[in-house]
Amino acid sequence: EIVLTQSPGTLSLSPGERATLSCRASQSVASSFLAWYQQKPGQAPRLLIYGASSRAPDIPDRFSGSGSGTDFTLTISRLEPEDFAVYYCQQYGTSPRLTFGGGTKVEIK
Amino acid sequence: EVQLLESGGTLAQPGASLRLSCEVSGYTLRDYAMAWVRQTPGRGLEWVSAISGSGGTTHYADSVQGRFTISRDNSKNTLYLHMSSLRVEDTAIYYCGKTINWGYLVSWGQGTLVTVSS
Repeated sequence: EIVLTQSPGTLSLSPGERATLSCRASQSVASSFLAWYQQKPGQAPRLLIYGASSRAPDIPDRFSGSGSGTDFTLTISRLEPEDFAVYYCQQYGTSPRLTFGGGTKVEIK
Repeated sequence: EVQLLESGGTLAQPGASLRLSCEVSGYTLRDYAMAWVRQTPGRGLEWVSAISGSGGTTHYADSVQGRFTISRDNSKNTLYLHMSSLRVEDTAIYYCGKTINWGYLVSWGQGTLVTVSS
């Protein structure tokens, strides 16, 4: 099973700042089959990025994904108030068996 | 608009059985593989099970293999998760999701809470 480790656990930033979230896999993720989700309290996760760098429909371009192999990054170029949430990475290189990271909380500083 | 609506979550005793449902609208259910994912504060997000568009192929996490059964009725636009021999550690919010090629979940339901406790 591929284990995904996200860091940091919590990121304290101000609106307008840049957020850089990391997701490291215990082994190489096939074909960059990595997705990122945003989850707000009381809501289901929402797909942001798939294929490591492709934005899902209706996702603002301030969200970008990069990386390959075992190291992946989600960047939010300028934080908007609605971006404060928990972010999860998920690999699907071993689909249908999927694994998720433990999440990074982006909180208001 | 794509919508997924789970139901069936409740308080159950250890060893009991429960069936979750996920009714979808806004797309043709049979065109997509579907998955169940659960979430707990302690274990985070955990993939539980997945099923092909036709229903002929199913997969399970080791933690639920032999206890849970995923199925679907495409004529009713509904996905199911039959849970038996429930354990305390099955307590979680259960989400159904529309997958793209068994991979990422492009749409999620709002979740249904299953609590297993005596």
